[in-house]
Amino acid sequence: AQSVTQPDIHITVSEGASLELRCNYSYGATPYLFWYVQSPGQGLQLLLKYFSGDTLVQGIKGFEAEFKRSQSSFNLRKPSVHWSDAAEYFCAVGVNTGNQFYFGTGTSLTVIP
Amino acid sequence: GAVVSQHPSWVICKSGTSVKIECRSLDFQATTMFWYRQFPKQSLMLMATSNEGSKATYEQGVEKDKFLINHASLTLSTLTVTSAHPEDSSFYICSARLGRGGNTEAFFGQGTRLTVV
Repeated sequence: AQSVTQPDIHITVSEGASLELRCNYSYGATPYLFWYVQSPGQGLQLLLKYFSGDTLVQGIKGFEAEFKRSQSSFNLRKPSVHWSDAAEYFCAVGVNTGNQFYFGTGTSLTVIP
Repeated sequence: GAVVSQHPSWVICKSGTSVKIECRSLDFQATTMFWYRQFPKQSLMLMATSNEGSKATYEQGVEKDKFLINHASLTLSTLTVTSAHPEDSSFYICSARLGRGGNTEAFFGQGTRLTVV
């Protein structure tokens, strides 16, 4: 069965510090991987996605993520966090069967001055 | 990117009444839309897959008679919470994908905060 794990429920970083949010997936075939961000009371916005090719993908707002097949991971990174990055971040796996997404439990990011 | 609009953004209703939430794809046609429910500080739980012109597919444990889904056109899906109770209070989010297959991006509505009093 497909699953997505985000080990960190909550992360606090200082503004300007680097950030890494972890995501591990379990899926039998080549996964389609996504990172979404959700601001309080809002829908989800796509940050970046990986389908194939270069395993390091660039997204919006200065985010990037690296797909590591050997570790079944797709960690999200940002070199310097801004206060506006405080939000909930969701990793997701897209599968062909059922045409649906499987979401991780999310990581809440707090940015302190 | 494509735009999915959800209405209303928030609604308060009395226990026992029904509430309808609309999800529209504004600039593309969506043969399939998805309805999610999100509890505070938790992830999105897929409730059902809404299929244009046919019955919705509900996830296990979701009451189809309580959460009525209608996908009457390629740009509109509605979720009706019937005989709402306080435990139905939640954040409901719809999404639509541009195509089929796991590698197609999903676009999300802004969500609807339902409070049943």
